[in-house]
Amino acid sequence: GQNIDQPTEMTATEGAIVQINCTYQTSGFNGLFWYQQHAGEAPTFLSYNVLDGLEEKGRFSSFLSRSKGYSYLLLKELQMKDSASYLCAVRPMDSNYQLIWGAGTKLIIKP
Amino acid sequence: ETGVTQSPTHLIKTRGQQVTLRCSSQSGHNTVSWYQQALGQGPQFIFQYYREEENGRGNFPPRFSGLQFPNYSSELNVNALELDDSALYLCASSYSQGSADEQFFGPGTRLTVL
Repeated sequence: GQNIDQPTEMTATEGAIVQINCTYQTSGFNGLFWYQQHAGEAPTFLSYNVLDGLEEKGRFSSFLSRSKGYSYLLLKELQMKDSASYLCAVRPMDSNYQLIWGAGTKLIIKP
Repeated sequence: ETGVTQSPTHLIKTRGQQVTLRCSSQSGHNTVSWYQQALGQGPQFIFQYYREEENGRGNFPPRFSGLQFPNYSSELNVNALELDDSALYLCASSYSQGSADEQFFGPGTRLTVL
């Protein structure tokens, strides 16, 4: 079967750093996406990884290890507006269109 | 550049009824995907349309059907509604069906089935 695991909820302090992990088991691998979703809103794209390593984009970075079926999203200098759900999604090798989504990690930022 | 729009925002139906949800893709995008998102869950892929043809489908029954029009807008139709169909329905457009394409999501339609 195809499975993506993320922690259900995490709490962090404003100004700190937080790492959200994602592990996946899919029929092959053709890229991993991270999306941010505020409550009641649509997901918005954060990052895309297809090769091993770290992709940095401002305060957000995403890491991928294909051999371990593992990714993480790193958020630095946390702001209150970063309170949201963070969704990990994988495109399987046998699909050029379908994304398999995790249930999302709800991140709560405290002052 | 116009973003992805969906209508209606909210909808209440009763079991057994039929519903049509609409989506207008972002300008220049020819691919649209539909997702169902239950509360507290990630989106579940329903199907994707590319240049007016369905080119992929998730694990949803045939009573979930769709259309894509020449202007790349799209509809999701659900027949014989069931209580479990209550969810947020998201459409997402992209430039093509390629693997690296970022999908741009609309605000969603919240469907409640009573």
